[in-house]
Amino acid sequence: QITLKESGPTLVKPTQTLTLTCTFSGFSLSTSAVGVGWIRQPPGKALEWLALIYWDDDKRYSPSLKSRLTITKDTSKNQVVLTMTNMDPVDTATYYCAHSHYDSSGYYVFFDYWGQGTLVTVSS
Amino acid sequence: QSVLTQPPSASGTPGQRVTLSCSGSTSNIGSNAVNWYQQLPGTAPKLLIYGNNQRPSGVPDRFSGSKSGTSASLAISGLQSDDEADYYCAAWDDSLSGYWVFGGGTKLTVL
Repeated sequence: QITLKESGPTLVKPTQTLTLTCTFSGFSLSTSAVGVGWIRQPPGKALEWLALIYWDDDKRYSPSLKSRLTITKDTSKNQVVLTMTNMDPVDTATYYCAHSHYDSSGYYVFFDYWGQGTLVTVSS
Repeated sequence: QSVLTQPPSASGTPGQRVTLSCSGSTSNIGSNAVNWYQQLPGTAPKLLIYGNNQRPSGVPDRFSGSKSGTSASLAISGLQSDDEADYYCAAWDDSLSGYWVFGGGTKLTVL
């Protein structure tokens, strides 16, 4: 059974750096074709993809946020960490981590398991 | 502003069939498969359709997806009150170094 859970501060001040941890179980991030991504959702707004790290340590970032994001993995701890610098009130959102992999055909990729999300508020 | 375009709202009555649309471009929907996610109020998104028209195990066959060119659609037949949710389309975009793009979501109301 695959589970993911996000953890981190619920409140950060403007200009601070946010560090979020995704702790997962039921899969290994050293398995081929597996990845963990981060997606956020401001209150009442749409989903926005942020970053993704693959089993081989390949990393992809949202072009609009790339300069502020860093994603890393600790395979031994089953954790993925996302840092976002220079936080602003517009970054207030629920942050989700999600499991990514390919289907049995090896052709289609998707986020099939999601954490419950963690609400991060940016305010002074 | 989301990269993929979805109508903000849709509605239907119980038992009806509704279709939700998602429009993109050649670098995303035109080149890659579309996934659909259902988000019930106060919960995390759930994978509903992947690979344009594939249903994960446990998803009823009332839900179906299709893709043509740079657009995709999600159809829900036999609409139920439990289907009231936000629906998001997503696809990989091949531009730059590659990244996931989501639609702005469609809020489906069951009247």
